[in-house]
Amino acid sequence: GAVVSQHPSWVICKSGTSVKIECRSLDFQATTMFWYRQFPKQSLMLMATSNEGSKATYEQGVEKDKFLINHASLTLSTLTVTSAHPEDSSFYICSASYGSTQYFGPGTRLTVL
Amino acid sequence: QKEVEQNSGPLSVPEGAIASLNCTYSDRGSQSFFWYRQYSGKSPELIMSIYSNGDKEDGRFTAQLNKASQYVSLLIRDSQPSDSATYLCAVNPLGTGTASKLTFGTGTRLQVTL
Repeated sequence: GAVVSQHPSWVICKSGTSVKIECRSLDFQATTMFWYRQFPKQSLMLMATSNEGSKATYEQGVEKDKFLINHASLTLSTLTVTSAHPEDSSFYICSASYGSTQYFGPGTRLTVL
Repeated sequence: QKEVEQNSGPLSVPEGAIASLNCTYSDRGSQSFFWYRQYSGKSPELIMSIYSNGDKEDGRFTAQLNKASQYVSLLIRDSQPSDSATYLCAVNPLGTGTASKLTFGTGTRLQVTL
C-alpha cells in the first residue's frame, strides 16, 4: 500500500518551454502533497506544500509564478515548470501524506537544453 | 530554527554486522519520526516510522526513540551490500494523524563491505 507515482520519469525539453509533472497517490487519498527538488549530491529541498482545493504554500526563494502547482483532486497534484531554463534541470520528487507519513514518488528527472 | 542532525559518514560496516545510524533533533515538541533510505539517483523510500519512546522492530530494522534526549536511531542487523545507501532521518512536529512539513537531516551514507 501507500504507492505514489510520478509521470514522466524523465523529460528533456528546450529552454523556454514549459513542462508538467504529475504526482498521483494510487491507493490512498492525500489531502496534502509536497514537491521537492534535489540537485546531484545535495539534500532534498522542499519547494512547496500542496493542499487539495487550495493554493499551494511555497518555500522562501521558490518562485510561485515559475513553479505552478495544482492539486485538483485528492489523488493528483501537478507541478508545471514554466519557461524552463538549464538551471531548472534537476530531480523533482513529490510526496503524498497519509497521516503524518510522507510517501515519495519515484521522481522526475528534468533536463533543460 | 528547527534542526535535525546526522553524521554524514560514510559509515562503513562489514557484511553481516550491525549498522547503527544516529540522529538528533532540536524541536522538543516533535511527535513523529521517520527513517528513509535513498539509493543514489532514486527517491527516498520509507523504512520505519516511530512515535513513542522505546524500540520498534521491523525485520532487520529497529528504530529507537528517546524524546528526553531528543535522539532517534536506526539499527540494521545482518547488514547486506544492498543496504548501502543514504539514510535520511526526518521529523514531523505533529502527531500521527496530521500532515506537515518534514524536517530532514542531511543523511548518513552507509557502505556495507564484502
